[in-house]
Amino acid sequence: EVQLVESGGALVQPGGSLRLSCATSGFTFSTYWMHWVRQAPGKGLVWVSRINPDGSTTSDADSVKGRFTISRDNAKNTLYLQMNSLRAEDTAVYYCSSGLLLWGQGTLVTVSS
Amino acid sequence: DVVMTQTPLSLSVTPGQPASISCKSSQSLVHSDGKTYLYWYVQKPGQSPQLLIYEVSNRFFGVPDRFRGSGAATDFTLKVSRVEAEDIGVYYCMQSTQLPVTFGGGTKVEIK
Repeated sequence: EVQLVESGGALVQPGGSLRLSCATSGFTFSTYWMHWVRQAPGKGLVWVSRINPDGSTTSDADSVKGRFTISRDNAKNTLYLQMNSLRAEDTAVYYCSSGLLLWGQGTLVTVSS
Repeated sequence: DVVMTQTPLSLSVTPGQPASISCKSSQSLVHSDGKTYLYWYVQKPGQSPQLLIYEVSNRFFGVPDRFRGSGAATDFTLKVSRVEAEDIGVYYCMQSTQLPVTFGGGTKVEIK
C-alpha cells in the first residue's frame, strides 16, 4: 500500500523556522518527482516546491523562494521542506505528493504570535 | 504564470444526473514533448486531494468510469455521467505543463 505521511507541522512565531518531513512507503520513491502543495484554511491549493528524483534539481514558487528549501533522502524514502523566515501568510496545511499523483494527509503549519 | 479558471464555482446536482465542470487556461497546456499536463482532482470533506484524471483524459487507478475528462490546448472539461452522493467535494483542475504548477480555484459539488 502506498503511503505518504507528513509530519513536523506546528505553531511557530513569525520569523521562525520549521522542517516538515514526508515519510513514504509502498512505491519506488527514488524514481519520482516529489512536490509540496499547501492549502490555507478555507482556501484552494497552491503549489510550493518540487524536486527531481535524484535531488539535483529543485523549483520553488516565487512566494517561498529564498525562504523554503525542498530536499530528499532516497535512502530513507523521505521528503523534506525546510521553512525559514516564516510569515503569517504561510499558515496552511502542507501536503506532499508523489508526482502529483498520490498525496499525503497533510500537516498543519500555523504562523502566529 | 498560467491562470486556470474554473466554472462554475459551485454545482448542486440531483443524484443520478450528470454534472460538468469547465477549466480554461490562459495559455496552451501542450508541452514541448507533445503531452498536455492537465489534471483533475477531488477533495472530499476533511480529506486530502485525490487524483481523478491525468493528462486530460486518463482515469487514475480505481476511478469510476462515470468520470470523463476531455479537451485540448486551453479548454478542458470534467464530466460526471451520473452523480452519486459520494462525489461531493471540491473539484480542482491543475496544470503542470509550465512552472509554476497552478490550480483552478475549485468547484464545489453538492448533492440536492
